[in-house]
Amino acid sequence: GAVVSQHPSWVICKSGTSVKIECRSLDFQATTMFWYRQFPKQSLMLMATSNEGSKATYEQGVEKDKFLINHASLTLSTLTVTSAHPEDSSFYICSASFADNEQFFGPGTRLTVL
Amino acid sequence: EDQVTQSPEALRLQEGESSSLNCSYTVSGLRGLFWYRQDPGKGPEFLFTLYSAGEEKEKERLKATLTKKESFLHITAPKPEDSATYLCAVQGNYKLSFGAGTTVTVRA
Repeated sequence: GAVVSQHPSWVICKSGTSVKIECRSLDFQATTMFWYRQFPKQSLMLMATSNEGSKATYEQGVEKDKFLINHASLTLSTLTVTSAHPEDSSFYICSASFADNEQFFGPGTRLTVL
Repeated sequence: EDQVTQSPEALRLQEGESSSLNCSYTVSGLRGLFWYRQDPGKGPEFLFTLYSAGEEKEKERLKATLTKKESFLHITAPKPEDSATYLCAVQGNYKLSFGAGTTVTVRA
């Protein structure tokens, strides 16, 4: 299957700082990338959907000014958590798909905000 | 809104003890039902896609089946390496919706 990478795999930051997470599709061009958040023992919750070159579509209840998504190319999307707070601590997972086909998931990024 | 419910939440099996996981769903316009495996601290790993009632797919000790209201993931003669959380997700008209998962522990 297709390979999706995320960087970093984990990050610890102080409250009030911003953190950027990268998601790359390594062996295919992803027309759409998705960002999910997963709290312990809970399911993956879709945060936003992004198409290359256009603005991301955010799910209800997700603050677009807090979670900035940039999908600058067909192989790279970034999620920036601005002014992070302890309640933003979570496991963030991206996925990528081509032409509305199945999604391939990255390994996830563990964010801990102190 | 699309809904996915998985049961049981947790399943402890002895090596070789076969069992089944359930995924019940309601969705407007099913475009696919997906099963994933997730290991602790990792992203979901794709296992199967099912598109229509009656469809079955197999991979090693795993077999997935689909009806109009639910899907089952059968684990035959599991081994300790099958220990993981198994996630079910449905693709509706709009997005992929996940269940909370079933955590399977297989003891040697």
